[in-house]
Amino acid sequence: DADVTQTPRNRITKTGKRIMLECSQTKGHDRMYWYRQDPGLGLRLIYYSFDVKDINKGEISDGYSVSRQAQAKFSLSLESAIPNQTALYFCATSDWSSTGELFFGEGSRLTVL
Amino acid sequence: QKEVEQNSGPLSVPEGAIASLNCTYSDRGSQSFFWYRQYSGKSPELIMFIYSNGDKEDGRFTAQLNKASQYVSLLIRDSQPSDSATYLCARADSWGKLQFGAGTQVVVTP
Repeated sequence: DADVTQTPRNRITKTGKRIMLECSQTKGHDRMYWYRQDPGLGLRLIYYSFDVKDINKGEISDGYSVSRQAQAKFSLSLESAIPNQTALYFCATSDWSSTGELFFGEGSRLTVL
Repeated sequence: QKEVEQNSGPLSVPEGAIASLNCTYSDRGSQSFFWYRQYSGKSPELIMFIYSNGDKEDGRFTAQLNKASQYVSLLIRDSQPSDSATYLCARADSWGKLQFGAGTQVVVTP
């Protein structure tokens, strides 16, 4: 099983719908992140959490919210999805005491019609 | 100006040749740098990280860091078709968060 698991892996939804992407990890890392990837734009940080009680906005947080339910779980929500939120979403984890390397989940491809 | 800049490519490299990828960054206080490889539709995987000026070698890969000139590069020797992918450069900010460039697509031709 993957150390960082994302569900769902693929989702097609309609404009205005609420969507939740879930991430769980077995690496025991304190830090968790949500990134979005669009063609030609690389990975952009949406939200990050350095521990269970810590939530921070990244560079593109508008239209998104997150919940850190436990050390191992970090969920991303789109309250009212819009077509320009169509993208590949990655959850990642890191250990504060290490080199800073990110460990990525397999990605969740979201299409908003 | 983006924090991390990369040429988008594609960079076409003959099989067996050296692929040279470059990355520049704007924050002179950046300490750590990472190179990730990403196959189409897959998640990024770490190739190397570097934090000291100079070269760091790992197998066919060499990362080079020049903090004075604010660039970091990746050399891939003896390029193979399996090296065809997008290579992402990233820097760690003072909190340890990674900021990524847009990536350089590499195509290794037989």
